[in-house]
Amino acid sequence: DAKTTQPPSMDCAEGRAANLPCNHSTISGNEYVYWYRQIHSQGPQYIIHGLKNNETNEMASLIITEDRKSSTLILPHATLRDTAVYYCIVRLGGNSGGSNYKLTFGKGTLLTVNP
Amino acid sequence: DAGVTQSPTHLIKTRGQQVTLRCSPKSGHDTVSWYQQALGQGPQFIFQYYEEEERQRGNFPDRFSGHQFPNYSSELNVNALLLGDSALYLCASSLELQAGYEQYFGPGTRLTVT
Repeated sequence: DAKTTQPPSMDCAEGRAANLPCNHSTISGNEYVYWYRQIHSQGPQYIIHGLKNNETNEMASLIITEDRKSSTLILPHATLRDTAVYYCIVRLGGNSGGSNYKLTFGKGTLLTVNP
Repeated sequence: DAGVTQSPTHLIKTRGQQVTLRCSPKSGHDTVSWYQQALGQGPQFIFQYYEEEERQRGNFPDRFSGHQFPNYSSELNVNALLLGDSALYLCASSLELQAGYEQYFGPGTRLTVT
């Protein structure tokens, strides 16, 4: 699985958009980008994933650059409850077999939403 | 729709003892993965069970073993506990046929080894 690089911490004002970057310059063509977050002392929560097209769901939007070497998770209107560690993970998805089953977590980005 | 559940919530054991942690997957899911999360670190993959067999394993010693039952629930067993086994143990479930294989996590079991 490709390695990812994220800033260790970010701040965001409540009500503003939070844009969390992730660098995955060694991503291969069949690897997906996944985002999870972990609120203190809870299990990680799945947010969104994508292959090459931008994706949006009720929680967030995922913007993947055309060369797929980086991506940005966007929380459009951050609230205090969005304070968490956000993990960007790259791995094979779907029916790729081999080592695609596990999620490899790095240290993530601690997002602090301030009132 | 019941999410992933784990038991117990907290556990305190002594070095050398054995422990069993339990996980019930999200309704409709058939695959269970286990992760260990030490304080201040991201979760580390232990192993995954599908069709009652371990199909992938992370870099963990044989003291860590597991089982999956016909109803898809799972157990994680750790023998000869060490102080370094103190961690949050997370269970995640997924559906084999779901293209994204996104995994849904339970709240975890906090294990303290003294």
